[in-house]
Amino acid sequence: QLQLQESGPGLVKPSETLSLTCTVSGGSISSSSYYWGWIRQPPGKGLEWIGSIYYSGSTYYNPSLKSRVTISVDTSKNQFSLKLSSVTAADTAVYYCARGTPAGYGMDVWGQGTTVTVSS
Amino acid sequence: DIQMTQSPSSLSASVGDRVTITCRASQSISSYLNWYQQKPGKAPKLLIYAASSLQSGVPSRFSGSGSGTDFTLTISSLQPEDFATYYCQQSYSTPHITFGQGTRLEIK
Repeated sequence: QLQLQESGPGLVKPSETLSLTCTVSGGSISSSSYYWGWIRQPPGKGLEWIGSIYYSGSTYYNPSLKSRVTISVDTSKNQFSLKLSSVTAADTAVYYCARGTPAGYGMDVWGQGTTVTVSS
Repeated sequence: DIQMTQSPSSLSASVGDRVTITCRASQSISSYLNWYQQKPGKAPKLLIYAASSLQSGVPSRFSGSGSGTDFTLTISSLQPEDFATYYCQQSYSTPHITFGQGTRLEIK
């Protein structure tokens, strides 16, 4: 059974870089059929797609965050990572990693989410 | 970018009620529309994909319909565990995806 687990600091200072890793277990990240994504949810608000990556390394970012986001994949560790630079309080959110299915059939496996607070 | 608009934003209903939530896309997305359920403190759960296909393990009281720009999620007979927030999501431009703003379903 595929599982995803987010990890990283829960507190980041303003202007610094937020770094999170998603570890995939129970399956391989190197499937050409699936993609891997990051989604966030500010307190009391809705879901916002941050970006996605294929195991090949091809990346796709939300235009509103593109200048600050980098997503990478490490197939040897079965992990993919998120870096968000120059963070502000507006980046405080629960960050989820998830698997995207072929043919646009939704994101079918999600991590439990990790809370990141931006504060000095 | 494709924008997704859900209505209503919140809804009060009783156990046993039939409930419908609507999602509209800013352009035609064919049937590339998915629905999620999210309970407080939990990750979203995929309910419906490709507008009308039920994800494995999801009760049959959930159904989806629509194509083009207008879509609906229907719960035929509300159960206590169905009170949650529901999101639509377009995957027409996969892997660029967009979520609706959510519909909060509350107990009347």
